[in-house]
Amino acid sequence: DQQVKQNSPSLSVQEGRISILNCDYTNSMFDYFLWYKKYPAEGPTFLISISSIKDKNEDGRFTVFLNKSAKHLSLHIVPSQPGDSAVYFCAAPINYGGSQGNLIFGKGTKLSVKP
Amino acid sequence: NAGVTQTPKFRILKIGQSMTLQCTQDMNHNYMYWYRQDPGMGLKLIYYSVGAGITDKGEVPNGYNVSRSTTEDFPLRLELAAPSQTSVYFCASSYMTAVGGTIYFGEGSWLTVV
Repeated sequence: DQQVKQNSPSLSVQEGRISILNCDYTNSMFDYFLWYKKYPAEGPTFLISISSIKDKNEDGRFTVFLNKSAKHLSLHIVPSQPGDSAVYFCAAPINYGGSQGNLIFGKGTKLSVKP
Repeated sequence: NAGVTQTPKFRILKIGQSMTLQCTQDMNHNYMYWYRQDPGMGLKLIYYSVGAGITDKGEVPNGYNVSRSTTEDFPLRLELAAPSQTSVYFCASSYMTAVGGTIYFGEGSWLTVV
């Protein structure tokens, strides 16, 4: 039973346009969300996060939107660049034995930005 | 500026063999984690540790063991390797919790069990 869902395995976007990556979650106890970016043969790297007390968080070209009532969040990349081509994971911390340091990941969306 | 270092990067094991994936971090982080990623799937937590001498199970611990004798090192032991353990393994560390995005991942170890 997936608690964090990324239903689009892949997304292709033209350079300079907007990329929108979606994520849905089922666990209403989640109160913090993170996006990680992963290049081939590398480990994931942190991109941006959002707390449930906010509905938007912006960092340069990256903006994450949170809709708590719909249990949905999205990552917007504007403008998209070829170097943004990677797999993007949505994740949420879950409490294992009192440790909130553990993440539940979605399956990821592979973004391809074409020049 | 090493961060989280995992060895080996690639390994092929025969069914029933055992091996240890090594992980070390030089950031003095308290928390360390082992995740696995199967093709087309997200990362799943195997084991984690909140400090030296303390370890606990994650979502998919069966077939694995860990130890944490020092702050820096968190080896993952595979006993009696099975084809289902073919995966990419990521070690990670953080100072406190994942809130704030402070989890740092290693580059991954590709393991194939044949």
